[in-house]
Amino acid sequence: EVQLVESGGGLVQPGGSLRLSCAGSGFTFRSYWMSWVRQAPGKGLEWVANIKEDEGEKNYVDSVKGRFIISRDDAKNSVFLQMNNLRVEDTAVYYCARRGVVGWGSYYFDFWGPGALVTVSS
Amino acid sequence: SYALTQPPSVSVSPGQTASITCSGDKLGNKYTSWYQQTPGQSPVLIIYHDDKRPSGIPERFSGSTSGNTATLTIRGTQAMDEADYYCQTWDSRTEVFGPGTKVTVL
Repeated sequence: EVQLVESGGGLVQPGGSLRLSCAGSGFTFRSYWMSWVRQAPGKGLEWVANIKEDEGEKNYVDSVKGRFIISRDDAKNSVFLQMNNLRVEDTAVYYCARRGVVGWGSYYFDFWGPGALVTVSS
Repeated sequence: SYALTQPPSVSVSPGQTASITCSGDKLGNKYTSWYQQTPGQSPVLIIYHDDKRPSGIPERFSGSTSGNTATLTIRGTQAMDEADYYCQTWDSRTEVFGPGTKVTVL
């Protein structure tokens, strides 16, 4: 059974930093792109970042470029999101998601974790 | 940046058919996935690659694409289908979600 579990959420002041972790199990972690998707309170889903196998490629939504860093440790079946210079508008539930693929251009999120709440407030 | 549009809400009577649209520039040249999210829960993939259903997803959920619009259809809608539905595609190395549609089963 595929499982993803996030950890590391919490309350942080504006300008502060936080590191989210996501542990995967039940699948060959090193063979998949992994992503972070967030959802602000009462709002829709927003893709944040993804990372290729072997960290060969990393992509970010414009609003977090230069502030967030995605990384992975395949030996520990884990993906991370280092969030720096946090803003009030970064407040959200952050989901870790596995990215499935059919072929070039056909990507989807087939498994999601329960999410970790990040609150940025003074 | 690429954007998708969805109607904010759709209402449907139990047993009837609900259709949720997702529009974007040249969306027909891309692939669309759909997710269902109930309050307090993580999203669940219900359609990928325009019209494929993951194992365990009921047959009453189907997807299609025509022109610039992708459509999620729920046939024989049940009370348990009341949820938020999001479309998603990929463009220029970024993943894009639609704003979501709240489906209410009256």
